[in-house]
Amino acid sequence: GAVVSQHPSRVICKSGTSVKIECRSLDFQATTMFWYRQFPKKSLMLMATSNEGSKATYEQGVEKDKFLINHASLTLSTLTVTSAHPEDSSFYICSARDLTQGGYGYTFGSGTRLTVV
Amino acid sequence: GQNIDQPTEMTATEGAIVQINCTYQTSGFNGLFWYQQHAGEAPTFLSYNVLDGLEEKGRFSSFLSRSKGYSYLLLKELQMKDSASYLCAVPTGGGNKLTFGTGTQLKVEL
Repeated sequence: GAVVSQHPSRVICKSGTSVKIECRSLDFQATTMFWYRQFPKKSLMLMATSNEGSKATYEQGVEKDKFLINHASLTLSTLTVTSAHPEDSSFYICSARDLTQGGYGYTFGSGTRLTVV
Repeated sequence: GQNIDQPTEMTATEGAIVQINCTYQTSGFNGLFWYQQHAGEAPTFLSYNVLDGLEEKGRFSSFLSRSKGYSYLLLKELQMKDSASYLCAVPTGGGNKLTFGTGTQLKVEL
């Protein structure tokens, strides 16, 4: 089945630094990937839709200059948290859709636990 | 916009049956998903309903009523390992992006 690899699984960084999270579709091509944020004991909140070869589409209230998304190839999307602050600490999950699987096609990465100190 | 609501928490006993409800209001409908998520892990696919009615898959069943904007996930013969968060989700934005409900934290007790 479709596999999405997300890296790193955990990262700790200092305030003011930037962190890059990678999301790769391993056995299928994904023209569209999705980035979610999840707070403890809360649901997944969609941040943005990453589009291969074009600009990402951000959800209302998400700062595009804060959360930079690049989707340079059909198998890789990256999320960069710029000038990170403690309030950016969260669980970030990416998802990609394998269109050959129809309605069942949403596959999720294993998530990245970001802690900003 | 869209609203997708679930109860926040539920507690049930091992071996029992529990029903987790989800109500949704969306513009357009392209099916409804149920996912299970253990803390710190990715959501795992449980079911996808696009037509009205009940679909059974082992211990888990999912029901959909499109006219009522309502779905439920039924878990039978509960096991301790079923303690997790259960998320309903619907495709939005023209049917491409997946928007999640508020999530239900299920605790299974002895």
